[in-house]
Amino acid sequence: KAGVTQTPRYLIKTRGQQVTLSCSPISGHRSVSWYQQTPGQGLQFLFEYFSETQRNKGNFPGRFSGRQFSNSRSEMNVSTLELGDSALYLCASSPQGHRDPSLYFGPGTRLLVL
Amino acid sequence: DQQVKQNSPSLSVQEGRISILNCDYTNSMFDYFLWYKKYPAEGPTFLISISSIKDKNEDGRFTVFLNKSAKHLSLHIVPSQPGDSAVYFCAASAPLNRDDKIIFGKGTRLHILP
Repeated sequence: KAGVTQTPRYLIKTRGQQVTLSCSPISGHRSVSWYQQTPGQGLQFLFEYFSETQRNKGNFPGRFSGRQFSNSRSEMNVSTLELGDSALYLCASSPQGHRDPSLYFGPGTRLLVL
Repeated sequence: DQQVKQNSPSLSVQEGRISILNCDYTNSMFDYFLWYKKYPAEGPTFLISISSIKDKNEDGRFTVFLNKSAKHLSLHIVPSQPGDSAVYFCAASAPLNRDDKIIFGKGTRLHILP
């Protein structure tokens, strides 16, 4: 089975721009969660989508949004980028949800905001 | 407010000895705890989990201990091997219908010394 894939792997943007990250879950997995990893804050939960609906949301501003398509692929969008948005963005999929112990992470998209 | 705390940013252990990684939590509603391991340039991978109804779970060289009264859990790796060098994240979640999302700690970087 192919693992979770994320594109692009690396991205450089400037302040004020917007960015869209993509995640393809493992085939058959219906839940996709997004996390932000920074050196100072560890892994912070952004949101979770299940069957095209946002099921959970973390404490991030509205500039961070996402969606899930009927094939379970998910996209995350960040508008009006700030320097502090520089981070590794990780996507994780699971059959049922993120309390499922089989939470599979992708390699991440490293975003640098200049 | 950090609900899951890993107070040691890094830990160095001699190969063959025991590695003990610690994690404290503040939310008494957490009932499920997980450990993830992360190598550079890769997403975290699930290592081991424990439900709050247990105080110990063992899987090969890895054992997780849970002390609910102290709101503390630890991961023991015996014997430590070079391939164990990685960042380890402790995570916790509350039951469904109660803010069901996984909260991660900031991680502990484990160095296994030859």
